Amino acid sequence: ILNVEQSPQSLHVQEGDSTNFTCSFPSSNFYALHWYRWETAKSPEALFVMTLNGDEKKKGRISATLNTKEGYSYLYIKGSQPEDSATYLCAFQGGSEKLVFGKGTKLTVNP
Amino acid sequence: GAGVSQSPSNKVTEKGKDVELRCDPISGHTALYWYRQSLGQGLEFLIYFQGNSAPDKSGLPSDRFSAERTGGSVSTLTIQRTQQEDSAVYLCASSFKGFLNGYTFGSGTRLTVV
Repeated sequence: ILNVEQSPQSLHVQEGDSTNFTCSFPSSNFYALHWYRWETAKSPEALFVMTLNGDEKKKGRISATLNTKEGYSYLYIKGSQPEDSATYLCAFQGGSEKLVFGKGTKLTVNP
Repeated sequence: GAGVSQSPSNKVTEKGKDVELRCDPISGHTALYWYRQSLGQGLEFLIYFQGNSAPDKSGLPSDRFSAERTGGSVSTLTIQRTQQEDSAVYLCASSFKGFLNGYTFGSGTRLTVV
């Protein structure tokens, strides 16, 4: 059974803090690693799709890194804002087009 | 359409009844996926349609679940004889083949079986 683990499960930070969380995935049969943000009462929104070992992606204050050899990805948020509060999901794509999702990290940013 | 549309947004049904959930993907997206999230769990793959190919049904949890996609567009997920463990948020997503831009998700159907 393919396992995608995310940690921590939940995180509370103060506005302005920088934070990061982890996604670990199988290092074999890797095609891509996806990150999504899922705000309450909204649809999950794609943040990044990463394919290459050592890849770094950035979107505003959010960035992600990828290590396919050891099977992990980090998501970083710099200067967290209350609107960053959401559940962040990572998903592993192996040899097919379906994604295997982790359970997510729920981030709460307190003003 | 502009986004992936799902209906209904909420559905409460009695145990043993059949339900149909609808997904209208983005026009031109060839791939359509159904996932669900039960309480405390991650997103669980159910079924995947790609163009005219046979669907990948490997995630359907039992033969009470079925899905079809008509004309390569709208999809319906049917759950027969619903059970309480079917209660979940059912999400539909679509993408172009290859999808290095990621999936576009609908806002989901929250199904509650009482």
